[in-house]
Amino acid sequence: DAGVIQSPRHEVTEMGQEVTLRCKPISGHDYLFWYRQTMMRGLELLIYFNNNVPIDDSGMPEDRFSAKMPNASFSTLKIQPSEPRDSAVYFCASSSLSTPLHFGNGTRLTVT
Amino acid sequence: GNSVTQMEGPVTLSEEAFLTINCTYTATGYPSLFWYVQYPGEGLQLLLKATKADDKGSNKGFEATYRKETTSFHLEKGSVQVSDSAVYFCALSIYSGNTPLVFGKGTRLSVIA
Repeated sequence: DAGVIQSPRHEVTEMGQEVTLRCKPISGHDYLFWYRQTMMRGLELLIYFNNNVPIDDSGMPEDRFSAKMPNASFSTLKIQPSEPRDSAVYFCASSSLSTPLHFGNGTRLTVT
Repeated sequence: GNSVTQMEGPVTLSEEAFLTINCTYTATGYPSLFWYVQYPGEGLQLLLKATKADDKGSNKGFEATYRKETTSFHLEKGSVQVSDSAVYFCALSIYSGNTPLVFGKGTRLSVIA
């Protein structure tokens, strides 16, 4: 199994631009999570899906952030417009009720 | 609400030293407890877990015991190696199964030869 695959690994963009982060979960996992990691706030849960349906998006910081899961093998996290304070490492993770959480290697986002 | 508090880092130890990283939690109901490890440039990996009081999770020489009376889940290892240098996260889940998780802020461990 290839594990959770995130792309890109690094993203550098200018303030105001749209950013799209991508995630392919492990096949057979029916939960998908987006986390954000910063030095100041640690690891924060942004949103999670169960069977492609968003269950809890209370961690999404504001309307500039949106996430979709159009099918069981793909999810996106979009930031529009991006701001410098969005700079962080964004992790996607997947699991099922019988397996632990598996993380991707993250996307390091830098907004200048 | 549900939260996890773990000791501030960084922690620097010499090889073969004893390691303790403290973790306490606040939760409604009966959570499952986890330790995750993050190596540089990688995502978090599950290190060990415990699902009920007095359970001991163990893996790769690391251990942690679920202490309900003290709401703690301290991570220990008897003899650390340079390869154990990483960031360690304590986490809890209040739902059945393993998800979703509330994480502590992480403790960076550096082991020097």
